Amino acid sequence: GAVVSQHPSWVICKSGTSVKIECRSLDFQATTMFWYRQFPKQSLMLMATSNEGSKATYEQGVEKDKFLINHASLTLSTLTVTSAHPEDSSFYICSAESSGSGGGPDTQYFGPGTRLTVL
Amino acid sequence: AQTVTQSQPEMSVQEAETVTLSCTYDTSESDYYLFWYKQPPSRQMILVIRQEAYKQQNATENRFSVNFQKAAKSFSLKISDSQLGDAAMYFCAYGTSYGKLTFGQGTILTVHP
Repeated sequence: GAVVSQHPSWVICKSGTSVKIECRSLDFQATTMFWYRQFPKQSLMLMATSNEGSKATYEQGVEKDKFLINHASLTLSTLTVTSAHPEDSSFYICSAESSGSGGGPDTQYFGPGTRLTVL
Repeated sequence: AQTVTQSQPEMSVQEAETVTLSCTYDTSESDYYLFWYKQPPSRQMILVIRQEAYKQQNATENRFSVNFQKAAKSFSLKISDSQLGDAAMYFCAYGTSYGKLTFGQGTILTVHP
């Protein structure tokens, strides 16, 4: 089946530094990738939709200058948390939609998530 | 905007018994998809079952089935013959044809041996 990986699986950083999280589709091409944020025992909140070769579309309330998203190829999207602060600590999950599937959310595959802790 | 509501923060069931998780949603669209996802302690999201809104027949996947009531905007999940491995957080999700998913608050399911 389709596999999506995320790297790193967990990261601890100091306040004020930037952190990059990678999301890769390992055995399929993904025109569209999605980035979610999840707090403990809470739901997934969509942060942005990432389309290969174009600018990401951010959800209302998500700071685009804070959360930089790049989708440079059909298998890789990156989320960079810039000038991270303790309130950015969270679990970040990506999902990838298989290209050429005709669309539809049934073709989304989720990564295992990245736990970010900002000290 | 679409909203998804799961009114049961926690549910429990005895092993081998049946449990039903509730979900309601709100939308003005006619073409959409509904999903149940399972998130075990590993936090990997696992698709349990999906339903296309245009299909009247309720989806089933082995021990998992849904009761889709389109007019009432209700989409409940029934787990039959519950197993210890079913213990997880379950999320109901609404999806558009272009891939965007909106998740409910989640229901923590505990399975007692």
